[in-house]
Amino acid sequence: DGGITQSPKYLFRKEGQNVTLSCEQNLNHDAMYWYRQDPGQGLRLIYYSQIVNDFQKGDIAEGYSVSREKKESFPLTVTSAQKNPTAFYLCASSSQTGALGYTFGSGTRLTVV
Amino acid sequence: DAKTTQPPSMDCAEGRAANLPCNHSTISGNEYVYWYRQIHSQGPQYIIHGLKNNETNEMASLIITEDRKSSTLILPHATLRDTAVYYCIVRGYSGNTGKLIFGQGTTLQVKP
Repeated sequence: DGGITQSPKYLFRKEGQNVTLSCEQNLNHDAMYWYRQDPGQGLRLIYYSQIVNDFQKGDIAEGYSVSREKKESFPLTVTSAQKNPTAFYLCASSSQTGALGYTFGSGTRLTVV
Repeated sequence: DAKTTQPPSMDCAEGRAANLPCNHSTISGNEYVYWYRQIHSQGPQYIIHGLKNNETNEMASLIITEDRKSSTLILPHATLRDTAVYYCIVRGYSGNTGKLIFGQGTTLQVKP
């Protein structure tokens, strides 16, 4: 079955360490996205990519970095510059226009101690 | 993208139809209505979308008023597994920037 996979589901890191969250899709989608969700709040866009080797900042890109070397993969690195990294991170993918909706992964819950 | 308004919470008896309303009075002619839901601690799930005609798929039906200022998502036979936060979103097909303004949504509680 086609889908989008995020790993790991739970991640703990010490303050000051960089951490990379994995996102892989086998839906042949051109576009991929990273969102952050805090308790009781909606989704905030971190980065998005509409094509391989290209990506754009979203609303809250500071302290994060991404790469898009393959169509199937869009890893997110949470750097030590991110002041409040503890959150639920969601990856999604879609056709280039997003016309048929976005497919989301199951999320990674990152806790920084 | 147009703003949407949804009731914060609703209850539904298991096996009955759940009707979730959404107001989008500022919707423009080229904007579609999308519905997603999010079960606790999971990623959102796409349900259905439409422009002006009523739509139905294996999960739900979408009824859009003639003036397109409001819509209703119908889950015909709600189960306990349909307990989730349901989000109504309005967006156009052009200029896909990844922005999905989910708002607060409606928390649907399906009760036995």
